[in-house]
Amino acid sequence: AQTVTQSQPEMSVQEAETVTLSCTYDTSESDYYLFWYKQPPSRQMILVIRQEAYKQQNATENRFSVNFQKAAKSFSLKISDSQLGDAAMYFCAYRRVSGSRLTFGEGTQLTVNP
Amino acid sequence: SQTIHQWPATLVQPVGSPLSLECTVEGTSNPNLYWYRQAAGRGLQLLFYSVGIGQISSEVPQNLSASRPQDRQFILSSKKLLLSDSGFYLCAWSLRTGRVNGYTFGSGTRLTVV
Repeated sequence: AQTVTQSQPEMSVQEAETVTLSCTYDTSESDYYLFWYKQPPSRQMILVIRQEAYKQQNATENRFSVNFQKAAKSFSLKISDSQLGDAAMYFCAYRRVSGSRLTFGEGTQLTVNP
Repeated sequence: SQTIHQWPATLVQPVGSPLSLECTVEGTSNPNLYWYRQAAGRGLQLLFYSVGIGQISSEVPQNLSASRPQDRQFILSSKKLLLSDSGFYLCAWSLRTGRVNGYTFGSGTRLTVV
């Protein structure tokens, strides 16, 4: 079974600085999708960024980028120029190509200090 | 555009009372539908998913059940609530096909069983 591990329950960053959130996963599949979701205090789940495993190029969405290391089964999220609105719980998630279910990590609570 | 509606937003119910949470999707057809529970603000546990009308898969045996009476309607129910059913419930949908496909989540229901 696929598992997703986020080893950092909490992280903090100063406003305007850069922070990296870690995620590792376990799978025997060669093709799959990876996602980062953000859950602010409102608890609405918001998709931040997605990565297809067959693509070597790391995905980027404005200030958010990933470091996808397929061999190491690592998928970290980098937030540049952190803003107060980035404060949230961040979840890493995995999905098989042939399936539709998402497997989530336990989350990392990010605090942004002014 | 597609939207997902989930209600109620907040619910306080006594132990032993019934439960019905409803989720509807607009702007798409034949979606996959999901119910997740999130306890204590961490980790999302998949409860049920559905790939079509009347087709329900249960991930975790428990006091809850789900039904899909219409293509874009997904209902989470219980005949008798337990204290342990308290939590934050999220409905989500995804396209049945499509190569890169995350979930779109509803705004959630905070259930407190007293």
